[in-house]
Amino acid sequence: GQNIDQPTEMTATEGAIVQINCTYQTSGFNGLFWYQQHAGEAPTFLSYNVLDGLEEKGRFSSFLSRSKGYSYLLLKELQMKDSASYLCAVREPGGYQKVTFGIGTKLQVIP
Amino acid sequence: DAGVTQSPTHLIKTRGQQVTLRCSPKSGHDTVSWYQQALGQGPQFIFQYYEEEERQRGNFPDRFSGHQFPNYSSELNVNALLLGDSALYLCASSASPGGRDEQYFGPGTRLTVT
Repeated sequence: GQNIDQPTEMTATEGAIVQINCTYQTSGFNGLFWYQQHAGEAPTFLSYNVLDGLEEKGRFSSFLSRSKGYSYLLLKELQMKDSASYLCAVREPGGYQKVTFGIGTKLQVIP
Repeated sequence: DAGVTQSPTHLIKTRGQQVTLRCSPKSGHDTVSWYQQALGQGPQFIFQYYEEEERQRGNFPDRFSGHQFPNYSSELNVNALLLGDSALYLCASSASPGGRDEQYFGPGTRLTVT
């Protein structure tokens, strides 16, 4: 099985940078996803990491260290619309996409 | 290009009843996964369907069952509803069952069991 840990809540200031950490303990690993979920809405895809290192996509970057069971999502130039929950999710190995989600980190961006 | 659609949007049922939720995947997608998301929690994987068969299953009882049709749409059935089944049920589709393709989520069905 999978155990995924991420902070429950974070607060950051508009225009700043915030890093949301995720650690996982798994019996297997085949990729890590980050999703954004606004209140009352469906999750939307942000990033996918399967190899170690940093992947950058605009204001959002995601980092993975498989040996440490660790990932982070970096959000730059924060905007008020970034206030949302950020979900870390790990995919198990095998031919089918069984994905385990963390509880999510609720980020509040303040002026 | 229509994304993932789900119906109904909201549903209220009584304990012991049965419910069927429906999902149509994004155009071009053939794999459908179902998730249960309780308030304040992350989505919990229920099962995944590919080629009309259940391919993976999470830790959910047999009261939760599903089906996938030849047009790739899917249904989630829950029997003998419990109060604890109240949650947002999300359907997600992808272009393949195990590749790096992202999952696209539908808007969800909010189920309330009274």
